[in-house]
Amino acid sequence: QQQVKQSPQSLIVQKGGISIINCAYENTAFDYFPWYQQFPGKGPALLIAIRPDVSEKKEGRFTISFNKSAKQFSLHIMDSQPGDSATYFCAGTGTASKLTFGTGTRLQVTL
Amino acid sequence: DSGVTQTPKHLITATGQRVTLRCSPRSGDLSVYWYQQSLDQGLQFLIQYYNGEERAKGNILERFSAQQFPDLHSELNLSSLELGDSALYFCASSVVASGRGEQYFGPGTRLTVT
Repeated sequence: QQQVKQSPQSLIVQKGGISIINCAYENTAFDYFPWYQQFPGKGPALLIAIRPDVSEKKEGRFTISFNKSAKQFSLHIMDSQPGDSATYFCAGTGTASKLTFGTGTRLQVTL
Repeated sequence: DSGVTQTPKHLITATGQRVTLRCSPRSGDLSVYWYQQSLDQGLQFLIQYYNGEERAKGNILERFSAQQFPDLHSELNLSSLELGDSALYFCASSVVASGRGEQYFGPGTRLTVT
């Protein structure tokens, strides 16, 4: 019940396009869902996070959409740029404190 | 730069050996988390310490142990190393005790077991 399933595994988007990454969780005790961005050779860094009491959160070009009944959430990157090329991880956590990460999506934004 | 430091950056050792990875959290952060990242297992939570005490445990092998010292730095000890232990080991820190807050990741230690 601790899994977070993430798709797609890899994604190629043209510059200016919309990148969409999807995640589904099983543990209904999760109440905090962050997205982390990781560049090659670096540690992950928090991009944006959401709690299940809201259905959407937007920060700049990044938006999380959350569907509590379906236990799904997604990251949308609007106007994708080459600098967004990285690996993205969704995650979930609750009172247990530990973050359970998805398997990651490697995003490549082409010119 | 996240403010979290990890040493060493790279470590190459042989099977059966023991190594110690070191992490210094951001100034003011009381929580330290350890993660293992490998191609086949992804990013896996190992263990968390909060202000010197073990707070949460994940998929940490019995051959692995960690501690957090009074100055809040943490060490991850890996013993009887196997080829499958080759991975990137990240340390992260946060202000809060729970996982519901931003975790700041260090640059990682790449462990290669030969």
